[in-house]
Amino acid sequence: DIVMTQSPDSLAVSLGERATINCKSSQSVLYSSNNKNYLAWYQQKPGQPPKLLIYWASTRESGVPDRFSGSGSGTDFTLTISSLQAEDVAVYYCHQYYITPGAFGPGTKVDIK
Amino acid sequence: EVQLVESGGGLVQPGRSLRLSCAASGFTFDDYAMHWVRQAPGKGLEWVSYISWNSDNIDYADSVKGRFTISRDNAKDSLYLQMNSLRAEDTALYYCAKTSAGGGYFDYWGQGTRVTVSS
Repeated sequence: DIVMTQSPDSLAVSLGERATINCKSSQSVLYSSNNKNYLAWYQQKPGQPPKLLIYWASTRESGVPDRFSGSGSGTDFTLTISSLQAEDVAVYYCHQYYITPGAFGPGTKVDIK
Repeated sequence: EVQLVESGGGLVQPGRSLRLSCAASGFTFDDYAMHWVRQAPGKGLEWVSYISWNSDNIDYADSVKGRFTISRDNAKDSLYLQMNSLRAEDTALYYCAKTSAGGGYFDYWGQGTRVTVSS
């Protein structure tokens, strides 16, 4: 099974500043035949279900603000919030869907400093 | 509008059974694989089970294998999770999630149904 790790566990960022979350998979999630990374990011606000932000490691879901961006390939990925807004306070999870069972990272909590 | 509405959760004693349901609407249910994902109180997300559009392919997390059974009724646009031999560690909010058209990520989630296993 693929194991996902995230860092940091939590971070506090000032409004308008950049937040960066890292995700690492125990094996590559890059499928060579289509050159796609099977990696998604979700945002979960308190009391709400997760919401899809990014898929294929860097494709923003429709309606997601462009301050959210995903990057990386193979085993190392990053979610960046370019200018943190109050409504971005949440826990963020990465998720590999390269193989079953799909695995989530442990989550990174983002707060306002 | 896509909607996924879970039901069937509740308080149950260890060793007993519970059946969760997920009613889907707003999309062609039998075109998509579906999943159950759970979240223990204060914890992260844990994938539980998967079923393909036609029920030909099914998989489970090791933690529930042999105890849980996923199924679907495409005529009723519904997904199910039969949970037997429940344990305290199965206590969680259970979400059903729809697989996207283009890949295995989850583009829609329900609000969840809470399962508490306690004597």
